[in-house]
This record gives sequence, structure tokens and C-alpha cells, in this order.
Amino acid sequence: AQSVTQLGSHVSVSEGALVLLRCNYSSSVPPYLFWYVQYPNQGLQLLLKYTSAATLVKGINGFEAEFKKSETSFHLTKPSAHMSDAAEYFCAVRPSGGSYIPTFGRGTSLIVHP
Amino acid sequence: NAGVTQTPKFQVLKTGQSMTLQCAQDMNHNSMYWYRQDPGMGLRLIYYSASEGTTDKGEVPNGYNVSRLNKREFSLRLESAAPSQTSVYFCASSEVRAGFLITSPEAFFGQGTRLTVV
Repeated sequence: AQSVTQLGSHVSVSEGALVLLRCNYSSSVPPYLFWYVQYPNQGLQLLLKYTSAATLVKGINGFEAEFKKSETSFHLTKPSAHMSDAAEYFCAVRPSGGSYIPTFGRGTSLIVHP
Repeated sequence: NAGVTQTPKFQVLKTGQSMTLQCAQDMNHNSMYWYRQDPGMGLRLIYYSASEGTTDKGEVPNGYNVSRLNKREFSLRLESAAPSQTSVYFCASSEVRAGFLITSPEAFFGQGTRLTVV
């Protein structure tokens, strides 16, 4: 069985500040890990993914995430927030073997203040 | 590049009415999924299909049925809609190949269907 925990349903930052969205996972086999972004009234768009290559993964819009096996974490960061980053962010896990079904966290709403 | 296409985008139903949500993907994926999204609950899996001809229940299957019509299409049916089924529904697909590492294991999503049951 696998699960995803996103710490904080809402995160508020000022424009230009560091963005840190936390994600911890559990998986019985080596996982694939993902971050998705959802803008209002839209579907989910892939930000970045970890597929067992480099542990530091760079994505679109200046976001990156680091896979830390010892901490079972995959936190999302961006050095400087923009107003356009305001959205809902979802962390997801999918085992690389056995079950292939992606499991999603409950989401974190990022609020960016001017 | 259509990806995953869902219809309709919006729907209002009366309690007890039935409807089918349609989903089609053009990426030749084996696996398809239906999720519902509710505030504070994230995405919950309703049903999934590992391949053409197979379907299985997910976390919240009650009140729903599905059909994997062919490799491209995976529909979700509400036989007798209830207000508790008011939600945003997403269809998704992904590549699955047993025994192989996949370069694109992510799920691709449609734009969603906003369903209101009154």
C-alpha cells in the first residue's frame, strides 16, 4: 500500500519569497514521485517527476524537488515566488512495480501576497 | 495533441437522474482512471482499468459504474445521481509496462467535469 501526506492545506508566502511545499510518502517498493499543479477551473498539469535517476529534479516554472529516501520525502521548492504561482499543488506516488495506480495527497493551496 | 478529452465540461442533474461521463485518450495508454475531487479531500480514485476489458474498484466506487469500451475510451456512469455525488470528476491515463522502467510514468489528466446534483 502507498500513501502521500502533504503538510499544510494552505501555504502563504510573499512575492519573491522562498516557496516550500512538503510531501512525505510511503511505498513498499521504489516509487515514482510527482508534483502536479492545478490552476482554478483547470485539470492537473505535471510540474516535475522523479523516476529513479537524479535525486534533485527540476521542473517547469522554476520549481524543483529533492527525493530523500531516508526521510521518505519529496518536498517542492522555488527560490522566488511569483503571483502566477498561486494555485493548488498535489504530490503523488506510484510504485515502480506491482500496483501502478497513482495515489494523491490532499493538496496544498499556495497563496502569494504582493 | 489532444491528450485526454472529457465530455461534458459542466452538468447539472436532478436527484435520481442518470448520466454518463465520457473520456478518451489518444496516447495509446493501457491504464485509465476516474477520480473525483472534493475540497480538502484531494483526488480519490473511483474506478480504474488496467487494460482494455478489465475494470476494478477504487477507493470510492459506490454509486458508479464504468465501461472500458476499447483502449481509447473509459466512461463513468451514475445510475441514480445523489447530491453527495456533486464533485469535479477527472479522467486520467498512464503508461504501464510490467517489468520495465518507464520514462513517462505520470498520469495525464483531462480538464474535468463539474457535476452538480440538486
